[in-house]
Amino acid sequence: GAGVSQTPSNKVTEKGKYVELRCDPISGHTALYWYRQSLGQGPEFLIYFQGTGAADDSGLPNDRFFAVRPEGSVSTLKIQRTERGDSAVYLCASSSQGGQPQHFGDGTRLSIL
Amino acid sequence: KQEVTQIPAALSVPEGENLVLNCSFTDSAIYNLQWFRQDPGKGLTSLLLIQSSQREQTSGRLNASLDKSSGRSTLYIAASQPGDSATYLCAVDSNTGKLIFGQGTTLQVKP
Repeated sequence: GAGVSQTPSNKVTEKGKYVELRCDPISGHTALYWYRQSLGQGPEFLIYFQGTGAADDSGLPNDRFFAVRPEGSVSTLKIQRTERGDSAVYLCASSSQGGQPQHFGDGTRLSIL
Repeated sequence: KQEVTQIPAALSVPEGENLVLNCSFTDSAIYNLQWFRQDPGKGLTSLLLIQSSQREQTSGRLNASLDKSSGRSTLYIAASQPGDSATYLCAVDSNTGKLIFGQGTTLQVKP
């Protein structure tokens, strides 16, 4: 498919565990974004990559959250020592470049027990 | 700090009605504004994008307007259908790369 792909679609884990969420952007898109959406709310920005580098990581809530995009394509969002409050849908989007329309994946639903 | 508000939070209408969804933002220095649709358990589908220099955009039965000076945008849906039932989100890009979203309006169109 030509869209943004996120894996896994669902992740259930215990408090304190480490999780990795993966995003495959649309081929050729240089900009990649991570958002977090809680139930009944709009998505909240986490981090924005332009190429391999994080152009803006001001939305990461604390140092337990980290994201990488080593080759400028696939990105991984990593959460250490998960807490119940981390439960949410994590959305990834990509665009051809910053400022262009963002195309979203279906998200990863993360549940921390 | 940019804040985006959508009113109402939920709306229920009979099929065939024309309706308007509202979005307001606090900082008029925006690059563009985008309307999205979100179905349950799914990601966001872009409906319309209005650049800051534009006043409106149309796609089929959808029309989005933008008034930067008053910090408002509306999404007009003509002749609503049950398939239009979804959550509609507006988002503002202040040319920082990131989108600032409203809370969304959940629309139910009854047959």
